[in-house]
Amino acid sequence: RKEVEQDPGPFNVPEGATVAFNCTYSNSASQSFFWYRQDCRKEPKLLMSVYSSGNEDGRFTAQLNRASQYISLLIRDSKLSDSATYLCVVSRYGNKLVFGAGTILRVKS
Amino acid sequence: NAGVMQNPRHLVRRRGQEARLRCSPMKGHSHVYWYRQLPEEGLKFMVYLQKENIIDESGMPKERFSAEFPKEGPSILRIQQVVRGDSAAYFCASSPTTASNSPLHFGNGTRLTVT
Repeated sequence: RKEVEQDPGPFNVPEGATVAFNCTYSNSASQSFFWYRQDCRKEPKLLMSVYSSGNEDGRFTAQLNRASQYISLLIRDSKLSDSATYLCVVSRYGNKLVFGAGTILRVKS
Repeated sequence: NAGVMQNPRHLVRRRGQEARLRCSPMKGHSHVYWYRQLPEEGLKFMVYLQKENIIDESGMPKERFSAEFPKEGPSILRIQQVVRGDSAAYFCASSPTTASNSPLHFGNGTRLTVT
């Protein structure tokens, strides 16, 4: 079983749609949680950190459920530029990150 | 303030040759991480280094792969006697601290193709 599991998609949505991605992690010792974005096999870029209290950054909302070992990302009012692969990432200690394989989002006009 | 710099961007090697990948961390960052991304897969941790020290190499294959981060100069990931299965994107990241909530900054990556 992979340490971080994501639905690979692709999620094909029209502009303006709301889309949600989910991710589960297996190691209960995980301490930090992130969503990264990767475009066309370029370098991954941090989208946002994820906290138990939930956090929002503009159109993006992330949520962590430690009891269920579940992380989510909600994107509202999707834009064409949101098309990318979204990587769920956890860290047990330091900055040794464990990446999910990614969820592909395609936003179409 | 330049970001993490990796070179070369693309590297082609024939089977059996050596590949050397370079990574210069962001200014002020003393922690370097190497990750590998195979086609259609997620990034996998390989090694974590601080200046002149390998801290965690649990993700490195036991043979043919080595990494260093000398006192002066970039970090080097070295792959000896490359095989087709080494073809991948190799990303380097750096951070100023080891705090788990300190985000990693990734370089553009080196795409290695073994023919």
